[in-house]
Amino acid sequence: GENVEQHPSTLSVQEGDSAVIKCTYSDSASNYFPWYKQELGKRPQLIIDIRSNVGEKKDQRIAVTLNKTAKHFSLHITETQPEDSAVYFCAARSGNAGNMLTFGGGTRLMVKP
Amino acid sequence: NAGVTQTPKFQVLKTGQSMTLQCAQDMNHNSMYWYRQDPGMGLRLIYYSASEGTTDKGEVPNGYNVSRLNKREFSLRLESAAPSQTSVYFCASRQQGARETQYFGPGTRLLVL
Repeated sequence: GENVEQHPSTLSVQEGDSAVIKCTYSDSASNYFPWYKQELGKRPQLIIDIRSNVGEKKDQRIAVTLNKTAKHFSLHITETQPEDSAVYFCAARSGNAGNMLTFGGGTRLMVKP
Repeated sequence: NAGVTQTPKFQVLKTGQSMTLQCAQDMNHNSMYWYRQDPGMGLRLIYYSASEGTTDKGEVPNGYNVSRLNKREFSLRLESAAPSQTSVYFCASRQQGARETQYFGPGTRLLVL
């Protein structure tokens, strides 16, 4: 089955700096890669996603890049703000796995004011 | 439009007790999922239902059963709870077709003593 590794597990940045979270996946048939943000005690919420036919996608201060050859994808947050502090999860959907998502272990992002 | 709802929000069980976690969605989604989230770990899929009348095992199905009661409702049952099942349980739903996004419920926090 699919295996998703996420790094780093914790990330501390100064307000205004950029943050980058990286994920690798194992199944070359995976074709959909969402990113979820989870604030303390809340449900995961989708912040951005990318499909395998696209190399990069941007939405205001967040962007995701995908390298299919290397089987890795990354989340980039620019001009970080304290409200960006949360746990971020990447996931991959394998085309052979009945639309199941496999999640990475999560990254706790702390933005210091 | 409430989205995905879960009951109860919090439950304490003794080892060996049984209980059913309820999930409902009002978005007319075909697919529904049950995940568990343990500290420091990502979301792991327990069971899913691609459509009404079908259910399939996910990554960690042992100790659980599910019922897709109708298109709206997908319940998770613990027949004989164990301390290892202490976790936060999330239900999610997804519309079949081009939109891949999984929408999560608020979660059920379960403590098994």
